[in-house]
Amino acid sequence: ETGVTQTPRHLVMGMTNKKSLKCEQHLGHNAMYWYKQSAKKPLELMFVYNFKEQTENNSVPSRFSPECPNSSHLFLHLHTLQPEDSALYLCASSQGLGGEQYFGPGTRLTVT
Amino acid sequence: GENVEQHPSTLSVQEGDSAVIKCTYSDSASNYFPWYKQELGKGPQLIIDIRSNVGEKKDQRIAVTLNKTAKHFSLHITETQPEDSAVYFCAATSDNAGNMLTFGGGTRLMVKP
Repeated sequence: ETGVTQTPRHLVMGMTNKKSLKCEQHLGHNAMYWYKQSAKKPLELMFVYNFKEQTENNSVPSRFSPECPNSSHLFLHLHTLQPEDSALYLCASSQGLGGEQYFGPGTRLTVT
Repeated sequence: GENVEQHPSTLSVQEGDSAVIKCTYSDSASNYFPWYKQELGKGPQLIIDIRSNVGEKKDQRIAVTLNKTAKHFSLHITETQPEDSAVYFCAATSDNAGNMLTFGGGTRLMVKP
């Protein structure tokens, strides 16, 4: 257990569905991250939040919409995804930007 | 921006042998180099890291070396055990990059008993 939990662990959704991924950290960190992990690009940074403020959007398509209501919770809202969006979505947190990042177990997403 | 290359992509060793994974980076301003281990069904976990003011760091059976001039760093695992089997990722970052990590492509290490 790293102190970072993600739900659901597995998700299958159609291209017209809307779903959300949830991440929660119990470490008292103030920075949270979303990464996409696939066979083509093993660890690709998507979004970064520091003290609830988005500091990085790595050219992610608008069909992915992050939300950070507080320093402990991070969501990734998904809508009208494509099959190529199928991947493992990992959440991480750290004590400040540049600190050691602790990863959750990920959500395995399959878009049909 | 930073580009990190990692080799080999797969590595198979016999239990008890040593394993070496190498990474090169492009941004000479990079000053922090962590290594992560990812086991099946889990997220990556930090196993060791090094900053640019040192050339080598050891923690029991694992060590990392850094050559700033050549812009490469390596992970060394000695006396490998089956539980070392996993995917290993190197990463690099700098203050200029806002401390955002750029990861290498990963190495799948298989330790045969």
